[in-house]
Amino acid sequence: DGGITQSPKYLFRKEGQNVTLSCEQNLNHDAMYWYRQDPGQGLRLIYYSQIVNDFQKGDIAEGYSVSREKKESFPLTVTSAQKNPTAFYLCASSMVDSPLHFGNGTRLTVT
Amino acid sequence: QQPVQSPQAVILREGEDAVINCSSSKALYSVHWYRQKHGEAPVFLMILLKGGEQKGHEKISASFNEKKQQSSLYLTASQLSYSGTYFCGTEIPPAGNEKLTFGTGTRLTIIP
Repeated sequence: DGGITQSPKYLFRKEGQNVTLSCEQNLNHDAMYWYRQDPGQGLRLIYYSQIVNDFQKGDIAEGYSVSREKKESFPLTVTSAQKNPTAFYLCASSMVDSPLHFGNGTRLTVT
Repeated sequence: QQPVQSPQAVILREGEDAVINCSSSKALYSVHWYRQKHGEAPVFLMILLKGGEQKGHEKISASFNEKKQQSSLYLTASQLSYSGTYFCGTEIPPAGNEKLTFGTGTRLTIIP
């Protein structure tokens, strides 16, 4: 079955450390996205990529970085510059003009 | 501009109906609806496109009032499996998933 795999499900880090969240899809989708979800705030777009080796900032890109070296993979790095990194992170993919398919998310806790 | 969803939360008994609303201050190209169960991925329900075309699945219906820039999701004869948080995502021209702005969600609880 095709889908999106995010790992790990739970991640704990100390403040000041960078951390990378994995996102892999085998749906052959061109576009991939990263969203952040906080209680009561819905989903907010961090970064998106429509083709390999190209990506664009979303609404809340500060303190995050991404890469898109392969069509299947879109890892997100939460840097120490992100002031409030504790959140639920969702990766999604889609074809053009098609609905988003989401992964099961990674819950990041930074203390 | 983030769309406004109402109500924020609703509790229903199994078999009752519910309506969830999503309003925008901007002219919309489309409205997307997703449902998310706790700790899981949001799942696509439906897209409503400007001009009346509707794409989706499941036994859930929706409307899109372009003049009022709002959409309503109708859940009839609710089942326990309908529980979850419902998000609308609004898409403004020029369109594209990267242009989706999501509301804060409506938490629906179905009790036996």
